Amino acid sequence: EVQLVESGGGLVQPGRSLKLSCAASGFTFSNYYMAWVRQAPKKGLEWVATISTSGSRTYYPDSVKGRFTISRDNAKSSLYLQMNSLKSEDTATYYCARHGSTLRPGYFDYWGQGVMVTVSS
Amino acid sequence: NIVMTQSPKSMSISVGDRVTMNCKASQNVYNNIAWYQQKPGQSPKLLIYYASNRYNGVPDRFTGSGYGTDFTLTINSVQAEDAAFYYCQRIYNSPFTFGSGTKLEIK
Repeated sequence: EVQLVESGGGLVQPGRSLKLSCAASGFTFSNYYMAWVRQAPKKGLEWVATISTSGSRTYYPDSVKGRFTISRDNAKSSLYLQMNSLKSEDTATYYCARHGSTLRPGYFDYWGQGVMVTVSS
Repeated sequence: NIVMTQSPKSMSISVGDRVTMNCKASQNVYNNIAWYQQKPGQSPKLLIYYASNRYNGVPDRFTGSGYGTDFTLTINSVQAEDAAFYYCQRIYNSPFTFGSGTKLEIK
């Protein structure tokens, strides 16, 4: 059974940093592109970052480029999101998601339960 | 950057009715679209990928169609458990932009 379990969320002050983790199990982690998606309270879904199978390619929307860094450790079947210079608008539930393709970043076929990040003084 | 526009923003439908919701891309995305369902307090779930392919275990009352810039998600004979938000997403090429969602309420 595929499982994605996020951790590392919490309350953080504006301008500070936070690192999220996602522990994957039930599939060969190194074969899949992985991603982070967030959802602000009462708002829609926003794609945040994607990483290739080896970690050599990363993709970000303009809203987080230069502040967020996605990474992975295939030996540990773990995905990470380093978030720097946090802003109040980064407040959201952050989901770890698996791209359902081993070759290209396609649809998201599995999602974690999400972890809440609150940016506030 | 590509924009995905969903319509309507919300709809209220009776059980057994047929519902159609739309997703329009600001540029040609070919068939690179997915649809997700999200119920309150839950993570999103994949319904349709590459515009018209039903994901494993998704009831056949859910149908996706479209190509290029205009896409549709149709639910035939809506059930009470279909009450949720529905999101389209551009896939395959970055940015993997989501639409703003359509809220489906059951009368």
